[in-house]
Amino acid sequence: SAVISQKPSRDICQRGTSLTIQCQVDSQVTMMFWYRQQPGQSLTLIATANQGSEATYESGFVIDKFPISRPNLTFSTLTVSNMSPEDSSIYLCSVVGTGDSYEQYFGPGTRLTVT
Amino acid sequence: GQQLNQSPQSMFIQEGEDVSMNCTSSSIFNTWLWYKQDPGEGPVLLIALYKAGELTSNGRLTAQFGITRKDSFLNISASIPSDVGIYFCAGRAGGTSYGKLTFGQGTILTVHP
Repeated sequence: SAVISQKPSRDICQRGTSLTIQCQVDSQVTMMFWYRQQPGQSLTLIATANQGSEATYESGFVIDKFPISRPNLTFSTLTVSNMSPEDSSIYLCSVVGTGDSYEQYFGPGTRLTVT
Repeated sequence: GQQLNQSPQSMFIQEGEDVSMNCTSSSIFNTWLWYKQDPGEGPVLLIALYKAGELTSNGRLTAQFGITRKDSFLNISASIPSDVGIYFCAGRAGGTSYGKLTFGQGTILTVHP
């Protein structure tokens, strides 16, 4: 299984500011993703982080609001831009494991509160 | 879009009891995954199912991939207090949708000692 770490683990931010979340994986993985979990809700896919090219966003999510970088096969960042209280959520990095199993793992999440 | 209906939404049980939860989908999935999420943590993978009809166990946990590929269930036998948490099912369509998990709404499990 892949070991995923995220920074920061939590933050409290003021509206109008931006926060960049880092995701580090202990092994090279082909597929990395960013999910959002709103308070008391299930998980929703934001985008697929593609190495060396622009991320692929799901319906309802746009690059200007959630810019993503993926410079290599072990690291990605998600920025939450121009934050509002509605952005208060847990943001989770996810990877598909290597090998034949294609199991999918999640990081510990970044708990964001926007005031 | 695809939707998953997970039930029950919550369960309150006594330690030692067995638990069963299930998910149904409006469309076919190639993979079913079951996760457990503790407060303040990310989801932890419990069981992954890849073939219709597959029955897989992980300790006291057993999960099955429905024959129609539109449903899955998770059973927990002889529950213990540390089983408390939120359990999510997730379906994956495969192909170009790899990594795009559709999640159920979650089952909140409370175990009374």
